Amino acid sequence: QKEVEQNSGPLSVPEGAIASLNCTYSDRGSQSFFWYRQYSGKSPELIMSIYSNGDKEDGRFTAQLNKASQYVSLLIRDSQPSDSATYLCAADSSYKLIFGSGTRLLVRP
Amino acid sequence: SQTIHQWPATLVQPVGSPLSLECTVEGTSNPNLYWYRQAAGRGLQLLFYSVGIGQISSEVPQNLSASRPQDRQFILSSKKLLLSDSGFYLCACRANGGEQYFGPGTRLTVT
Repeated sequence: QKEVEQNSGPLSVPEGAIASLNCTYSDRGSQSFFWYRQYSGKSPELIMSIYSNGDKEDGRFTAQLNKASQYVSLLIRDSQPSDSATYLCAADSSYKLIFGSGTRLLVRP
Repeated sequence: SQTIHQWPATLVQPVGSPLSLECTVEGTSNPNLYWYRQAAGRGLQLLFYSVGIGQISSEVPQNLSASRPQDRQFILSSKKLLLSDSGFYLCACRANGGEQYFGPGTRLTVT
């Protein structure tokens, strides 16, 4: 069974801090990785995609991929209370994405 | 960019009643389409996916079915709803093996 694992949290950080979210995946054949943000009661929103080893930055978000370790992370700099949400990590596997169960992030004002 | 429409936004149905949820996509051709369900406080459960018209793959055996009558239309159905069918139903679209986007979802309550 191909899996993506995330710590369910909650991860609590103060406003302005860096939030670090991590996930591991089991399918060595996965080539594409994604981070989604889901606010309570809403559908998941794609915030980052990463396809090669290393870092990819987009505004306050940085995605990091290490295929050798089968590890993906998301850093959120200058965290804001509006970043409080559940963050889902996903890895592609054939025609579909395998999702982790999500990490709940709480940013304290 | 692609736009995903789902309706209705909310639905309350009695146990044993039929269900039909529709998803349509704009802005892309021949996408892969997906139906997910999310129970309250839980993760995403992939129910069905389709790589083309008339092609449906089922991930979880249950009393739901899916159909894809047109390239950008994906329908989720049930003949008789169970209490356990309550949840947030999400349609998603992925084109050319790239990024996957979700529709706004339908919140179904079976009473």
